[in-house]
Amino acid sequence: AQSVTQLDSHVSVSEGTPVLLRCNYSSSYSPSLFWYVQHPNKGLQLLLKYTSAATLVKGINGFEAEFKKSETSFHLTKPSAHMSDAAEYFCVVNHGGGGADGLTFGKGTHLIIQP
Amino acid sequence: EPEVTQTPSHQVTQMGQEVILRCVPISNHLYFYWYRQILGQKVEFLVSFYNNEISEKSEIFDDQFSVERPDGSNFTLKIRSTKLEDSAMYFCASSERSATNTEAFFGQGTRLTVV
Repeated sequence: AQSVTQLDSHVSVSEGTPVLLRCNYSSSYSPSLFWYVQHPNKGLQLLLKYTSAATLVKGINGFEAEFKKSETSFHLTKPSAHMSDAAEYFCVVNHGGGGADGLTFGKGTHLIIQP
Repeated sequence: EPEVTQTPSHQVTQMGQEVILRCVPISNHLYFYWYRQILGQKVEFLVSFYNNEISEKSEIFDDQFSVERPDGSNFTLKIRSTKLEDSAMYFCASSERSATNTEAFFGQGTRLTVV
């Protein structure tokens, strides 16, 4: 069985400071891992994905994430937050069931950017 | 940029009524999915669809639910007799192929409220 735990339901940072959104997973298989972002009234947009290539993955909008198998973590980071980063972020694991029907979502982290 | 579109964005219905949620997947995609998110809970898989038939479904997807691809562009989710607990955000997604590392493209969601 697989699961995803996003350790913080809300994260608040000041504009220009670093962002860290934490994610831990468990999976019986070699997983693929994704971070999706949802802005208000928008769909879920893929930020980045890990698929057993490089462990440090760079995504859109300056975000990156590092896959650490020993810690079963896939934390999302950004060096300097921007007001437009305020959104809901989902960590997602695909356990290999075939296509996107294997997706297991975390509960989401609401990122708040203070001016 | 191609995107998945869902209509309506909001739907309010009375308990016991039938609702149809509509989705237009990305045109060259072959795999289609429905997920839902009850307020405050995780995004959950409902069903996947390929080659005009259901390929996988969760235990949530009981006889009250059905999916259909009535033409070459639309993908619908029907709930025959809605219950209060069907109130949720419903996300449609599509992907080009079925593989562990496939990116799923999500729509903006339909918020269904059953009263």
